Amino acid sequence: IAGITQAPTSQILAAGRRMTLRCTQDMRHNAMYWYRQDLGLGLRLIHYSNTAGTTGKGEVPDGYSVSRANTDDFPLTLASAVPSQTSVYFCASSDSINNEQFFGPGTRLTVL
Amino acid sequence: GQNIDQPTEMTATEGAIVQINCTYQTSGFNGLFWYQQHAGEAPTFLSYNVLDGLEEKGRFSSFLSRSKGYSYLLLKELQMKDSASYLCAGLDSNYQLIWGAGTKLIIKP
Repeated sequence: IAGITQAPTSQILAAGRRMTLRCTQDMRHNAMYWYRQDLGLGLRLIHYSNTAGTTGKGEVPDGYSVSRANTDDFPLTLASAVPSQTSVYFCASSDSINNEQFFGPGTRLTVL
Repeated sequence: GQNIDQPTEMTATEGAIVQINCTYQTSGFNGLFWYQQHAGEAPTFLSYNVLDGLEEKGRFSSFLSRSKGYSYLLLKELQMKDSASYLCAGLDSNYQLIWGAGTKLIIKP
């Protein structure tokens, strides 16, 4: 693989279900991010990780959790999905915190 | 509070020039980014300004005035493929990007 990948591409989920969105990068970037993008709003940061083994909360972290066990992977988990979590989710990475971010193709999630 | 403002939508003609403005208020400032996002796709990096002035990169240029909290993206010789949303984002004191809602640019023949 080259770059940053996300899985699944899209998902329809019943409310209350648990869901993990996967993100993998092969660029050896230290920093990784999860955003959600909703119509009419800017990208909003959910969680981030500046380096493997550390994570931090972004602007809208409630209802989401992340882990960063290694450099390449940064999964996002919705413990109990709610309809307001319907959105497009983008994972991104950068080699340092003040450099350009590279984005994955996104996961379109619908919670019913 | 932190805020990024940019116009919601703009229309321009193929071959022309368009300027997309962005004003920002962030807690601290570590630079201003512009990204392009085609419909249904991921954002891709266009430019980064941390010092005042104009940065030129082919048909695209980006300008920053830190004293005015203002940036613009200038697109020359517009092509139909430039139809996209253009996202302005400020890097705050915690090195987190604060994103505008994006400007949808419509190019007409």
